[in-house]
Amino acid sequence: GAGVSQSPRYKVAKRGQDVALRCDPISGHVSLFWYQQALGQGPEFLTYFQNEAQLDKSGLPSDRFFAERPEGSVSTLKIQRTQQEDSAVYLCASSLYRDRGKTYNEQFFGPGTRLTVL
Amino acid sequence: AQKITQTQPGMFVQEKEAVTLDCTYDTSDPSYGLFWYKQPSSGEMIFLIYQGSYDQQNATEGRYSLNFQKARKSANLVISASQLGDSAMYFCAMREDSGTGTASKLTFGTGTRLQVTL
Repeated sequence: GAGVSQSPRYKVAKRGQDVALRCDPISGHVSLFWYQQALGQGPEFLTYFQNEAQLDKSGLPSDRFFAERPEGSVSTLKIQRTQQEDSAVYLCASSLYRDRGKTYNEQFFGPGTRLTVL
Repeated sequence: AQKITQTQPGMFVQEKEAVTLDCTYDTSDPSYGLFWYKQPSSGEMIFLIYQGSYDQQNATEGRYSLNFQKARKSANLVISASQLGDSAMYFCAMREDSGTGTASKLTFGTGTRLQVTL
């Protein structure tokens, strides 16, 4: 079946521009995560949705970052007034809802969007 | 303190040989999960193997096995019979299960770049 898809795959923005990054999770996956991966580093958590509810946004680096998932499927990560330090790969992942007592539910990652801010 | 530590920035292994990639972790949560992901140059994160903190046996998935030493807080990945296609970045990640029953974010290490040679 189809995996997690992200668009665009590459985005170049001038400093100060707003950008929107899209994530299409695997159909039926309740949980959706956004991660930021700087060059040469591991991914870092940004935010988490369960259906349309944003349950954790503790990783968003500033109020310029905003994420939504209005219908519980597609999600958009928006970055306002981009800065050079926002340059990174933005990864989206989805997973089945996980209940205690069950085994694991691994996160399935999309290919990422590489954002370059000039 | 780093929650996930991968001390090997790069590793070389000859084709058909076995290799161990190190991972240590730090958590006070009694319930947690440990994951290994592979990231080829194309960028997608590919799930390899999972170990739960309460699992009695070390996890195995084909050529991948996880050497889980709970007292030492280590979760090393062993790849047997290395292939050229194994050349990639490898990330160790942890999910802390805080008891809410909801999916939890992954915390990643900085990764190890594995190069398989002829």
